Amino acid sequence: EVQLLESGGGLVQPGGSLRLSCAASGFTVSTYAMNWVRQAPGKGLEWVSIISSSGGTTYYADSVKGRFTISRDNSKNTIYLQMNSLRAEDTAVYFCAKDRGNYVIQFDSWGQGTLVTVSS
Amino acid sequence: QSALTQPASMSGSPGQSITISCTGTSSDIGDYNSVSWYQQHPGKAPKLMIYDVNNRPSGVSNRFSGSKSGNTASLTISGLRAEDEADYYCSSYTSSSTLVFGGGTKLTVL
Repeated sequence: EVQLLESGGGLVQPGGSLRLSCAASGFTVSTYAMNWVRQAPGKGLEWVSIISSSGGTTYYADSVKGRFTISRDNSKNTIYLQMNSLRAEDTAVYFCAKDRGNYVIQFDSWGQGTLVTVSS
Repeated sequence: QSALTQPASMSGSPGQSITISCTGTSSDIGDYNSVSWYQQHPGKAPKLMIYDVNNRPSGVSNRFSGSKSGNTASLTISGLRAEDEADYYCSSYTSSSTLVFGGGTKLTVL
């Protein structure tokens, strides 16, 4: 059974940093592209970033480009999202999502999410 | 990249059919068949209901179907049931190699 478990969320001050982790089980992350999707409280879904199965290709939403970095450690079957220069508008539940393939950006499995709150 | 346009809310009675629209541009829906639909119940993670415009993942009811015409995709739910009450989001691959979601549609089953 595919499972994705996010961790690392919490309260951080504006301008601060946080690293989210997504531990996968039931499949090998190196076989699929992996994504982060976020949802601000009471709002809709927003795609954040993708990393290809090889890790050689990454893309970001304009809203986080230059501030967030996605990475993967295939030996740990885990992906990460390093978030720097955090803003109030980054407050959201962050979901890890497994791609259906390598870079089709359609998500057939999701984690339960981790809440990031950016506030002073 | 602007969000895809969905109606904010829709409603239907049990047994009825409803169709949720999702309008994009020639840089996303109009140019790619990588359109997906997700169902999200309150406090839960989204669930993939349709991929590649009109394909259902294993385990998704055949009451859910998808289509596309030009820059607009649609999700049709037939034989509405109480458990279909949820938020629905469309998404599309874009010419920037990124993904864009719709704003979401809150479906109420009366």
